[in-house]
Amino acid sequence: GAVVSQHPSWVICKSGTSVKIECRSLDFQATTMFWYRQFPKQSLMLMATSNEGSKATYEQGVEKDKFLINHASLTLSTLTVTSAHPEDSSFYICSARDMGHNQPQHFGDGTRLSIL
Amino acid sequence: DQQVKQNSPSLSVQEGRISILNCDYTNSMFDYFLWYKKYPAEGPTFLISISSIKDKNEDGRFTVFLNKSAKHLSLHIVPSQPGDSAVYFCAASAYGTASKLTFGTGTRLQVTL
Repeated sequence: GAVVSQHPSWVICKSGTSVKIECRSLDFQATTMFWYRQFPKQSLMLMATSNEGSKATYEQGVEKDKFLINHASLTLSTLTVTSAHPEDSSFYICSARDMGHNQPQHFGDGTRLSIL
Repeated sequence: DQQVKQNSPSLSVQEGRISILNCDYTNSMFDYFLWYKKYPAEGPTFLISISSIKDKNEDGRFTVFLNKSAKHLSLHIVPSQPGDSAVYFCAASAYGTASKLTFGTGTRLQVTL
């Protein structure tokens, strides 16, 4: 149980392109999903908390107009990197947690984004 | 400000022996702690967690110990297996923060034959 699917796993695109990443909870409903970014040999940095049916909550320093988050259903959240530039190249990972107190977050397999 | 620290970037253990991974935190509001295992180019896999009302939680070969007074937790893996070789992250969250996790910097475990 507790499977989170993230798609695509790898994207290579030109500078200026917008890229959408999907995160789905396959066997549970997630009112809250999270988006992380990981730089090489560093820890996971939380970018934003995605709340079903409401606006996402962004961490300090994360541009909300750059990283658009939509959480339209209890099983799907999307992250769109708008007008991507080479400095946006990174490993993006989503997670979802089941309802209830002290439930662990379960992670997708991540998306490697490379902007040329 | 690194609120969750894993001071050992790497650890090498012989197969069959015990692996002990350590984690320290500074935020006294943290009340839920987790350990994740991560392979390159994959998302973290949840291993085990512990609530601050407990000092020990065990699941098969994995045991997590929590020392609240020292703000320290550790993950014990026994016996260690080659398949345990990965990067291990500890993470913590505070009640009332919508379960946001703060991750440590990770410890790379290598289990040798």
